[in-house]
Amino acid sequence: DTGVSQDPRHKITKRGQNVTFRCDPISEHNRLYWYRQTLGQGPEFLTYFQNEAQLEKSRLLSDRFSAERPKGSFSTLEIQRTEQGDSAMYLCASSSQTGATDTQYFGPGTRLTVL
Amino acid sequence: AQTVTQSQPEMSVQEAETVTLSCTYDTSESDYYLFWYKQPPSRQMILVIRQEAYKQQNATENRFSVNFQKAAKSFSLKISDSQLGDAAMYFCAFGGSNYKLTFGKGTLLTVNP
Repeated sequence: DTGVSQDPRHKITKRGQNVTFRCDPISEHNRLYWYRQTLGQGPEFLTYFQNEAQLEKSRLLSDRFSAERPKGSFSTLEIQRTEQGDSAMYLCASSSQTGATDTQYFGPGTRLTVL
Repeated sequence: AQTVTQSQPEMSVQEAETVTLSCTYDTSESDYYLFWYKQPPSRQMILVIRQEAYKQQNATENRFSVNFQKAAKSFSLKISDSQLGDAAMYFCAFGGSNYKLTFGKGTLLTVNP
């Protein structure tokens, strides 16, 4: 069990650029989640995958955001035309389906800074 | 929609002492889970303890225990024999039938030597 990994750990970009983050879940976990955390706040849910299917998206996920999980393995989160308000820590979590709610294990996060 | 409230933005404790962090939540669901996560300065979110709502017995994990009061919708975390490594931001989280977690704003715990 190598844990949830995320890449890159830090990303600095200029406003208007596109960025893509990657998350590799714990290998046997079929559920994958993306959260966003701004300074001084708890994480906020963005979206959730069960295997390769994206089952829920938050209203926080504007049309500039897109997430994929091809083949139900790793996931990518892309932000197009970044804005300064997108600066945050983007957290990925994964869990194993054992019921309606199961324990989510988090990765180290990707810190995005939009200049 | 669920809400989670952590009313203590900051707490401090002396090393080896006991501290209790508070959490209240609001939900209309009857079957759910509650979690405490720890986020040290390195910012990796680590699970501390989990409680299933259908269980009356309070969960314990070594020095960490919870006081779960379902009727009052209260879920506090007690840390016994506090250690310097316990210093972190602690988040209370609610997990219901829609899979996602709803987090409180966190409590920053300082451990004084």
